[in-house]
Amino acid sequence: DAKTTQPTSMDCAEGRAANLPCNHSTISGNEYVYWYRQIHSQGPQYIIHGLKNNETNEMASLIITEDRKSSTLILPHATLRDTAVYYCIVRGPNTGNQFYFGTGTSLTVIP
Amino acid sequence: EPEVTQTPSHQVTQMGQEVILRCVPISNHLYFYWYRQILGQKVEFLVSFYNNEISEKSEIFDDQFSVERPDGSNFTLKIRSTKLEDSAMYFCASCPRALNTGELFFGEGSRLTVL
Repeated sequence: DAKTTQPTSMDCAEGRAANLPCNHSTISGNEYVYWYRQIHSQGPQYIIHGLKNNETNEMASLIITEDRKSSTLILPHATLRDTAVYYCIVRGPNTGNQFYFGTGTSLTVIP
Repeated sequence: EPEVTQTPSHQVTQMGQEVILRCVPISNHLYFYWYRQILGQKVEFLVSFYNNEISEKSEIFDDQFSVERPDGSNFTLKIRSTKLEDSAMYFCASCPRALNTGELFFGEGSRLTVL
């Protein structure tokens, strides 16, 4: 079952930062936070993941709170091509061999 | 950049027919997966495969489903006798190492329509 809570939908103006929140209050110490996105009906695309430190790559930044109960995915300069469903997924060594994709946040980037 | 490729992109079949969906995972990856997504619904896990055997499967993956890695490059999903409710996008994914720290790379999917 889902261990994360995300808003159903969000809008963001093109060129502005998109901040997508995720609550994972029951996360355990060895579980990672992963972010994926799905553009239209394409295959999900990996964005970033982290354990406790903030992470940044060419696509996004991941900010994890100190208590690890929530995180925020930041797309620094959203473009129209970032319109997608964004999934926050928590998993670790004891979570089995799969990712659970919930309903995610539908992000619409507005021109 | 290496990618997971899937064929066919779209298949239409009659109920009761057998279907094989094919995937070529990224070449140095070790773990392979099938997921499906019924139109408008969540992405659902079907099965994971490692070291030439199924490592985990969901309750969706019943006896009508099977997976195989026949030649070391292809990874196939067979649906023995398709039902209307098997209509969905089927995504193959691969991972270079155990999911504990690795990320999944997905293909673009195969759309199956059962009539």
